[in-house]
Amino acid sequence: ETGVTQSPTHLIKTRGQQVTLRCSSQSGHNTVSWYQQALGQGPQFIFQYYREEENGRGNFPPRFSGLQFPNYSSELNVNALELDDSALYLCASSLPGTGANYGYTFGSGTRLTVV
Amino acid sequence: KNEVEQSPQNLTAQEGEFITINCSYSVGISALHWLQQHPGGGIVSLFMLSSGKKKHGRLIATINIQEKHSSLHITASHPRDSAVYICAVSSRRTGNQFYFGTGTSLTVIP
Repeated sequence: ETGVTQSPTHLIKTRGQQVTLRCSSQSGHNTVSWYQQALGQGPQFIFQYYREEENGRGNFPPRFSGLQFPNYSSELNVNALELDDSALYLCASSLPGTGANYGYTFGSGTRLTVV
Repeated sequence: KNEVEQSPQNLTAQEGEFITINCSYSVGISALHWLQQHPGGGIVSLFMLSSGKKKHGRLIATINIQEKHSSLHITASHPRDSAVYICAVSSRRTGNQFYFGTGTSLTVIP
């Protein structure tokens, strides 16, 4: 299996609800990073998971949390959704020590709309 | 202030025109990346640069490390080149994560 798969592709939630987004990493990649891309903006780093542990975090509040599973797939959970959480959420997988310096693959993203 | 600044934000060109997108950054980097994002959202890597120049088909990317500046050129532009082009930088200091520019939205008109 190749490529990074994200699900769902689109999602509409109500303010205050909770959401879980999923990412299946590329075969052989054991590091997963999550990014938030607001409309008209560049992606912003949320956090990275390596071997099921958080391995770096951007400037996002604790209500953004994640998990990585033994098969290296990952989840992004957002609690108490706010309108400003509406964005495209991108997942990228890589091998450790490479990441953005090579060997990364992005998924197509999940478009979350909070109403 | 963003670590990565791109210009222009929006660009419309006639088919066949030569296009240049610029990127300036303010941090020390290991590599600079040019990425392409289509309306569906998925991001595709075009180039990774740490020095000099790279060419792939009609795309050329250059970087000047001393000036902390990079350019992406598209020769003989085509409507299928219409996309958002994003400049991103990475370094060991950033834990191998990207800092992204806000992107340049390119529309090529037939």
